[in-house]
Amino acid sequence: DAGVIQSPRHEVTEMGQEVTLRCKPISGHDYLFWYRQTMMRGLELLIYFNNNVPIDDSGMPEDRFSAKMPNASFSTLKIQPSEPRDSAVYFCASSRRGGLNTEAFFGQGTRLTVV
Amino acid sequence: DAKTTQPTSMDCAEGRAANLPCNHSTISGNEYVYWYRQIHSQGPQYIIHGLKNNETNEMASLIITEDRKSSTLILPHATLRDTAVYYCIVRSPLEGGGTSYGKLTFGQGTILTVHP
Repeated sequence: DAGVIQSPRHEVTEMGQEVTLRCKPISGHDYLFWYRQTMMRGLELLIYFNNNVPIDDSGMPEDRFSAKMPNASFSTLKIQPSEPRDSAVYFCASSRRGGLNTEAFFGQGTRLTVV
Repeated sequence: DAKTTQPTSMDCAEGRAANLPCNHSTISGNEYVYWYRQIHSQGPQYIIHGLKNNETNEMASLIITEDRKSSTLILPHATLRDTAVYYCIVRSPLEGGGTSYGKLTFGQGTILTVHP
C-alpha cells in the first residue's frame, strides 16, 4: 500500500491567492482527517470525514478554509483567499474505521508558505 | 480530553533501550493511550496503542501501570533513526458522548535524541 498521498509537497503562493491541497487516503479507509502544524500551535485537527461526509469541522479556523471529499479516494482543502498566517504544514490522515481502538495513518504533508 | 505530561526532551545512547514516560492521571476507563512519533519534516507515524494491558509490536513496547495513570514507551534498541518527537496521546470519545470517533489531540511531545 502506498500510504496516504498528499500533493503538492511544497506550495509557495502570494497573499490573496487561492490554494488547494490534495489528499488520497489509503484504499478502504472510511475516515479522513486534515491537520495543520505550526510552531506556535503544534498539530491541530481541522476537519474530518466519515464515508465522504464532513462530520466535525469545528477546527477549521475561518470561512476562508473549506474542505471537500467528492469520493472515497480524494479530498481537498482549499484556502481562499490565503494569508501569511496560513503558512504551516498541512497533514492528511486516514483510518479504516472510527472508534478509539483504530490507528490513523498520516501523509507526508504539504508545506504551505504564503508570502 | 485527558491531558498528558511528557518530559520535553530525552537522550539515549545508540543500541540502548529508550524509555519514554507519560503521565495521564485523569484518564478515563474507556480511553486508549496512543503513541506516535514525528521525524523531522515527515508526517506523524503510528507506533503503538493500548487500553489496559501491556502491548508489544515490531517497533516498541507499551507498558501501562495498573492504575492507568501513567505509561512508558520502550524502544528496545534505539538507533540514530529513532531520533524524533514522540507524542503520547489519550484518545477520548467525541465531546457530547459520540463514540464513532476518538480525536487524536497532539501535545508538545518528547524530543528524543539518540546519539552514537
